[in-house]
Amino acid sequence: DAKTTQPNSMESNEEEPVHLPCNHSTISGTDYIHWYRQLPSQGPEYVIHGLTSNVNNRMASLAIAEDRKSSTLILHRATLRDAAVYYCIHSPEFYMRRGGSNYKLTFGKGTLLTVNP
Amino acid sequence: AAGVIQSPRHLIKEKRETATLKCYPIPRHDTVYWYQQGPGQDPQFLISFYEKMQSDKGSIPDRFSAQQFSDYHSELNMSSLELGDSALYFCASSLGQGKNLSNQPQHFGDGTRLSIL
Repeated sequence: DAKTTQPNSMESNEEEPVHLPCNHSTISGTDYIHWYRQLPSQGPEYVIHGLTSNVNNRMASLAIAEDRKSSTLILHRATLRDAAVYYCIHSPEFYMRRGGSNYKLTFGKGTLLTVNP
Repeated sequence: AAGVIQSPRHLIKEKRETATLKCYPIPRHDTVYWYQQGPGQDPQFLISFYEKMQSDKGSIPDRFSAQQFSDYHSELNMSSLELGDSALYFCASSLGQGKNLSNQPQHFGDGTRLSIL
């Protein structure tokens, strides 16, 4: 299974930027880097994903290192609603076929983000 | 936008009983995944389906079975329930047909909380 390393926890203040790091030194050339988050008592929520270039969406930005062995999820202005466990996952290129496959998300320990008012 | 619907949200059963969890994917999504999250644990993959056929199995007990129907909804059937089956069960869906799954976000439901007494 693909391995990622994230800090167990991080703390931020409201309305400040947050940079959540992730190491994925075993990543392959065609693996995408995904970030999901899980708020208390809710299902995981997709945040962002990318392959090589930095990516932006309405929720966050993803900065991918040139060697792709690490990435950083950037929340530009943290709010109390951003308090969650953030999971970094890298997943291999895969095309589903009927009758058998081997694709799934492998969740690691994630980073518990606390946002202080 | 329509999301993944899971029912019931909460379910209380006794040991050795059976339970059926249902998942309705986002419209047009043909791939369904089931995950289990025990207390204080990270989500763990159970099983997935693509085009009504089982795609992959994770650490799913033989007491559990699942299927995907012609309308792409899925049901997880659990028999001979044990105390250790108490957990949150999440369903996720994505597009699979002709897609690189690594480039497709998985969209999760809010889960079913199963409590075994």
